[in-house]
Amino acid sequence: DTEVTQTPKHLVMGMTNKKSLKCEQHMGHRAMYWYKQKAKKPPELMFVYSYEKLSINESVPSRFSPECPNSSLLNLHLHALQPEDSALYLCASSQGQGTTGELFFGEGSRLTVL
Amino acid sequence: AQSVTQPDIHITVSEGASLELRCNYSYGATPYLFWYVQSPGQGLQLLLKYFSGDTLVQGIKGFEAEFKRSQSSFNLRKPSVHWSDAAEYFCAVGALNTNAGKSTFGDGTTLTVKP
Repeated sequence: DTEVTQTPKHLVMGMTNKKSLKCEQHMGHRAMYWYKQKAKKPPELMFVYSYEKLSINESVPSRFSPECPNSSLLNLHLHALQPEDSALYLCASSQGQGTTGELFFGEGSRLTVL
Repeated sequence: AQSVTQPDIHITVSEGASLELRCNYSYGATPYLFWYVQSPGQGLQLLLKYFSGDTLVQGIKGFEAEFKRSQSSFNLRKPSVHWSDAAEYFCAVGALNTNAGKSTFGDGTTLTVKP
């Protein structure tokens, strides 16, 4: 059983819609991540939150907006997406500062943009 | 900069046969190395990790990996493959989380298991 929970598992949206992906972990981890994964490709890092502060933004377009309301929750707000944004979006967590970066992944949210 | 190379895009083995998936890394210091497995439509699951110490590490599901500094390799092995091992396998190198680290993933190896 995964300890990182992502909702929804599947999402279909039009290019004018606004939607959000949600991620939750209760392992006490202080770093949380959003990755984008296309089929047959490795995950691509989008954002990292460390101690609830955005620490890494991998030059992600502004139509993706992350939010970390508290140490257990991570959201990804989506607006005006393009069909090429269709992908599996993975949330991950790790212990945080001073640790070695082992990642715990959720099962992902499969996003389709029409 | 750190990098990871998985030379084999796709490997097919017969059920019950042994398996070795290759991984080569480039990193300026002592690397933190990981193998993850991803079943179709799922997230990634950690199989095993190497930080220091014994260069042969044991993981879940009967997998093991050997760290060879001289060859910059961290190959994954399993003595007898099961049909349920069919999946995508990613090798990754991680950085010490001074703030929050960035893991670098290889491109992955797709494992097909023949009955």
